Amino acid sequence: GESVGLHLPTLSVQEGDNSIINCAYSNSASDYFIWYKQESGKGPQFIIDIRSNMDKRQGQRVTVLLNKTVKHLSLQIAATQPGDSAVYFCAEIGGANSKLTFGKGITLSVRP
Amino acid sequence: SAVISQKPSRDICQRGTSLTIQCQVDSQVTMMFWYRQQPGQSLTLIATANQGSEATYESGFVIDKFPISRPNLTFSTLTVSNMSPEDSSIYLCSVGLIDGYTFGSGTRLTVV
Repeated sequence: GESVGLHLPTLSVQEGDNSIINCAYSNSASDYFIWYKQESGKGPQFIIDIRSNMDKRQGQRVTVLLNKTVKHLSLQIAATQPGDSAVYFCAEIGGANSKLTFGKGITLSVRP
Repeated sequence: SAVISQKPSRDICQRGTSLTIQCQVDSQVTMMFWYRQQPGQSLTLIATANQGSEATYESGFVIDKFPISRPNLTFSTLTVSNMSPEDSSIYLCSVGLIDGYTFGSGTRLTVV
């Protein structure tokens, strides 16, 4: 069936560097995408979202890029901090289906 | 965004028993979702619970194993029935509102 997947299972970055987390999706009908952060012992926390009529959206220190041609989504975190260490998930919603489908998740580890 | 309270936060249960997880939202919502997150994995949707109707289950999940109640627009329960060690997971409820999808902090279930 349709799925959302991530390229890398883990990512280690130096504090202060920029982080880029990538995600591939396969449902061409998806029209809404969300990035979540999950810290240990907590539920997923909304970071940023983007609709399919956009290719870029910026938040505070985070940017999401959407490339519909290759069905690729990325999350960029500027000046990564230790508090950014967590598991990150991309999720998508396709068409009239209101259900979120999650990618596999990637662990971001920030080195001091 | 909505605030979700989920209880219990964790439990250790004997195999063959059942556990009911409660999800309380601070605002009225039409759709509530129940997810399972197995150790080290992503979130998988169990079912969608709408008030006044039977829950809609995803492939691989059945009502006899995961009965759901949705008595009003702010509350839902998920029961994990006749538990086995394979049911050890984090169970999360979620709501979808106009400003996005919010998750509870989850119930960490260990079946021994």
